[in-house]
Amino acid sequence: GQNIDQPTEMTATEGAIVQINCTYQTSGFNGLFWYQQHAGEAPTFLSYNVLDGLEEKGRFSSFLSRSKGYSYLLLKELQMKDSASYLCAVGGNQGGKLIFGQGTELSVKP
Amino acid sequence: DAGVTQSPTHLIKTRGQQVTLRCSPISGHKSVSWYQQVLGQGPQFIFQYYEKEERGRGNFPDRFSARQFPNYSSELNVNALLLGDSALYLCASSLQQGSGNTIYFGEGSWLTVV
Repeated sequence: GQNIDQPTEMTATEGAIVQINCTYQTSGFNGLFWYQQHAGEAPTFLSYNVLDGLEEKGRFSSFLSRSKGYSYLLLKELQMKDSASYLCAVGGNQGGKLIFGQGTELSVKP
Repeated sequence: DAGVTQSPTHLIKTRGQQVTLRCSPISGHKSVSWYQQVLGQGPQFIFQYYEKEERGRGNFPDRFSARQFPNYSSELNVNALLLGDSALYLCASSLQQGSGNTIYFGEGSWLTVV
């Protein structure tokens, strides 16, 4: 079966660091994606990992371990505007198909 | 450059009616995928089209159909609407067929079935 797990909600303080974990079990794997989605808006692309290791892009970093079926998204120097849902998605066997987790709702408090 | 554009942005339909949603991919992108996102959930894959052919289909009933035109734009049709079809319908485009390509989403079409 296909299963992607991530926490439903997280709360963090402005200026802090937060790590959002994602574990997956899928029949195929063509990379792991992270998207940010503000309420009422479309998902926007944050990162893509296909090989093990850490990818850093400004305040955001994403890590992948294929052997463990595990990824995380690290957000540094949190800002209020980072309050959003963060979606973990795995590229499946079918071309162009992304399998999404339910999303992690992150609330950044002052 | 224009991103993925979708229309209409919001619409209300009655049970049993039919709806057509439209999508224009990013210029140069040949792959278009459709997703359904119910409130509080992640998007669910419906279809992928590449070079005007269906290349993938999710676990949705035959009431859902789609097509891609020569200019790579796409339409999603849903017949015999049910209350449970109320959702945000997202169109995504990518350069090539494989999911290894970065996939960009449009703003979505909010469908309410009453």
